[in-house]
Amino acid sequence: GQQVMQIPQYQHVQEGEDFTTYCNSSTTLSNIQWYKQRPGGHPVFLIQLVKSGEVKKQKRLTFQFGEAKKNSSLHITATQTTDVGTYFCAGMRINFGNEKLTFGTGTRLTIIP
Amino acid sequence: NAGVTQTPKFQVLKTGQSMTLQCAQDMNHEYMSWYRQDPGMGLRLIHYSVGAGITDQGEVPNGYNVSRSTTEDFPLRLLSAAPSQTSVYFCASSDPWLAGVADTQYFGPGTRLTVL
Repeated sequence: GQQVMQIPQYQHVQEGEDFTTYCNSSTTLSNIQWYKQRPGGHPVFLIQLVKSGEVKKQKRLTFQFGEAKKNSSLHITATQTTDVGTYFCAGMRINFGNEKLTFGTGTRLTIIP
Repeated sequence: NAGVTQTPKFQVLKTGQSMTLQCAQDMNHEYMSWYRQDPGMGLRLIHYSVGAGITDQGEVPNGYNVSRSTTEDFPLRLLSAAPSQTSVYFCASSDPWLAGVADTQYFGPGTRLTVL
């Protein structure tokens, strides 16, 4: 079954409010990636985190990788209508010789203008 | 570069029919994967390949076959379509994953498949 869970599944925010999605794994991850999928589109790579406790920023987006490398978060400050879409995390489980990238269930963000 | 291309964009099948979803990439990526996307389920890995002539099963392989005769192409075959295979199918490619760290995955535009 799905070993990388994301919460919430849906989030509706007023334009200008902040948004956070959380990604949790049952096992330790070697690295985690984040993707954005616009409605009707395909997933597009945003960022990758590799180190324990790593924090990376892309303009209004802040990505964190947990100290135990089992969870991650994406925070968007002051959302804009262009942020609409579904955000996926994808984690690589530590399983030497048989690594697979497992996608989370996604968080769909809608913006109320 | 065209990146990752998929054909067809849309397809309607009847139960029991077979078909092949095409995927091609022009980035010389060794790794290619097929995912299906269903509401509330995220992206689930069907099959993947780490190079020409090498394929392996993902999370949900039943009912699907793949082959990888060239670096560029990675077709997905539905052997006998079932309504449960109604989904959006994405192909993705990437450079090799070194030391257990995944590289950026580039996704195609997807194929929307309906099985009646």
